[in-house]
Amino acid sequence: AQKITQTQPGMFVQEKEAVTLDCTYDTSDPSYGLFWYKQPSSGEMIFLIYQGSYDQQNATEGRYSLNFQKARKSANLVISASQLGDSAMYFCAMREGFPNQGGKLIFGQGTELSVKP
Amino acid sequence: EPEVTQTPSHQVTQMGQEVILRCVPISNHLYFYWYRQILGQKVEFLVSFYNNEISEKSEIFDDQFSVERPDGSNFTLKIRSTKLEDSAMYFCASSETGLSGNTIYFGEGSWLTVV
Repeated sequence: AQKITQTQPGMFVQEKEAVTLDCTYDTSDPSYGLFWYKQPSSGEMIFLIYQGSYDQQNATEGRYSLNFQKARKSANLVISASQLGDSAMYFCAMREGFPNQGGKLIFGQGTELSVKP
Repeated sequence: EPEVTQTPSHQVTQMGQEVILRCVPISNHLYFYWYRQILGQKVEFLVSFYNNEISEKSEIFDDQFSVERPDGSNFTLKIRSTKLEDSAMYFCASSETGLSGNTIYFGEGSWLTVV
């Protein structure tokens, strides 16, 4: 059974510093995708970044990068140069199978990030 | 940027009443999903929908729930007889098919409060 674990319920970071949010996963499917979403206090789910299990390079999207360590089954999110607007809940999620199979996302418990001025 | 839209943003309903939550997925997307998030908890999968039928559903998605795509644009979630424990944020999501379907976009959610 697929499983996502986020071990940091809450994190603090100083503005302009980098922060790493941890995510480990467990699956027996060789094909899977890993996602990170941001949920601000207003409640919406904002897609941040995606990493496919066969991708050779770590994914990057602006200030977001995904530190993908396949052997360790970890997919940590790195936010560089934190901004006050980064304060939110962050969810790691996994989908088994190829993207064209449309599988469901399984979410972790989330990490609440607070950025201090 | 294309987006998934959901209505209503917030609904309060009496226990036992029927509720319909509506979603307009992104126009070229063919996979549709409903998820829910009970306050303070993680996001849970309810159901996925493809080619006009349910492709997968969770244990939560029991007989009181149903989904429908009544026309070419809307995707609805019906809760037949609401219970207090149905109070949650309900998210609609959609994704493309094909190997570019690696992004799953969520709507802004519909808060359901059952009293």
